[in-house]
Formats: sequence, C-alpha cells, structure tokens
Amino acid sequence: GQSLEQPSEVTAVEGAIVQINCTYQTSGFYGLSWYQQHDGGAPTFLSYNGLDGLEETGRFSSFLSRSDSYGYLLLQELQMKDSASYFCAVRTPNNRGNTPLVFGKGTRLSVIA
Amino acid sequence: ETGVTQTPRHLVMGMTNKKSLKCEQHLGHNAMYWYKQSAKKPLELMFVYSLEERVENNSVPSRFSPECPNSSHLFLHLHTLQPEDSALYLCASSPGQGNTDTQYFGPGTRLTVL
Repeated sequence: GQSLEQPSEVTAVEGAIVQINCTYQTSGFYGLSWYQQHDGGAPTFLSYNGLDGLEETGRFSSFLSRSDSYGYLLLQELQMKDSASYFCAVRTPNNRGNTPLVFGKGTRLSVIA
Repeated sequence: ETGVTQTPRHLVMGMTNKKSLKCEQHLGHNAMYWYKQSAKKPLELMFVYSLEERVENNSVPSRFSPECPNSSHLFLHLHTLQPEDSALYLCASSPGQGNTDTQYFGPGTRLTVL
C-alpha cells in the first residue's frame, strides 16, 4: 500500500527555523509536493520536488532524496502566520493508470512568541 | 482566494436527506477533484474528472454520486449518508493531470450527518 509519515505536531519559536520531515512508501513515485492549510481554510500549494535536491521559494525550501524516500519542508524566519498544518503529498500510479496525489496526515505547526 | 468556490460552506443533514455540494472553478482548468478530510486522517481522494469525464472513483460508496456537467462545475450528490460521513469535503482543480500540475483547493463544505 501507499503510506506517508510525517510528525503530527511541531512547535517552534517566532524567528526560528523549523524542518518538517516526510518519508514515503509507495509503489511508484512522480514527485513530492507540500501544501499548507490554515484552520478553516483551503490547502494551498507550497512546493514541488520532482528531482533530488533543494527547491527554494522565499522563506520556504523543500528537499527530496528519492534514494531515501525522504523529503522535508524547511521554514525560515518563522512568523506567527506560519502556524498551520503542512501536508506532504506524493504522486504515485494506481492500478487504473492514473497518478493521483496521496497525502500524509499533516503536521500541525505552532509558532510561539 | 484560490479561484475555486464551494457551496454551501456548512451543511447539517439527517441520514434520510438528499443534498448536493457544489464546486465552481474560475481558472480554466481541465481536471476537478473531490476529497474527504476527516480529523486525524489524510486527505482522501474520492473522485477525479478530466475534461468532464470521470477518470477516478476511489472505491467511494454509492451514497456519494458526483456529477460534472462542464469543466467549470462539479457536484457531489449525497443521499442516505451515515454519521461517519461527517467531514470536510474539499473540491480542487488543476490545469491537467500532469505530474507537475498544482491542485487548487476550494474552502470546503463542513458536513455533519445526524
């Protein structure tokens, strides 16, 4: 089966750096994505890694190692508004010829003063 | 705003009721999705439509019936639901179904089944 593992909760101090890890076990792999969801809000896309290495977008960076089936989301200069849930998601083929996104359970990030 | 709207935002229904959830996307995308989000569980893909054709039905019970009349609108018809169907139902769209196609989510409908 397909599974993604990420920590359920993380707490960090405003201005600090936090890393949210994601490990996956899937029968196929076509990239790792990260989504952010604030309470009561819609998930919004943050980043996509199709190849190994680091992708940087402002304060957020995402890393992928396909050989380790592992990735992480790095948030720098944390702000209170970064308090949200963060989901990793993997594109993986199913037996119907499609490659849907399979999501992790999400990591609840709390930024404290 | 992501360009994907959903109505209603909240819905309470009894197990014998029939209701419909509506999703509309203003992004010109070709693919639309229904997801179920329950507490402490990952987002679960329910249905995928590509160019108005259903291409994915992720073993969803028949009490959930999707409809995609055109590429901008997606419905989820509900009937004889169970209390365990209470969840946040999210609609999403994407330009296509390519591996790099980002999904844009609506705000969801919070459904409570009594």
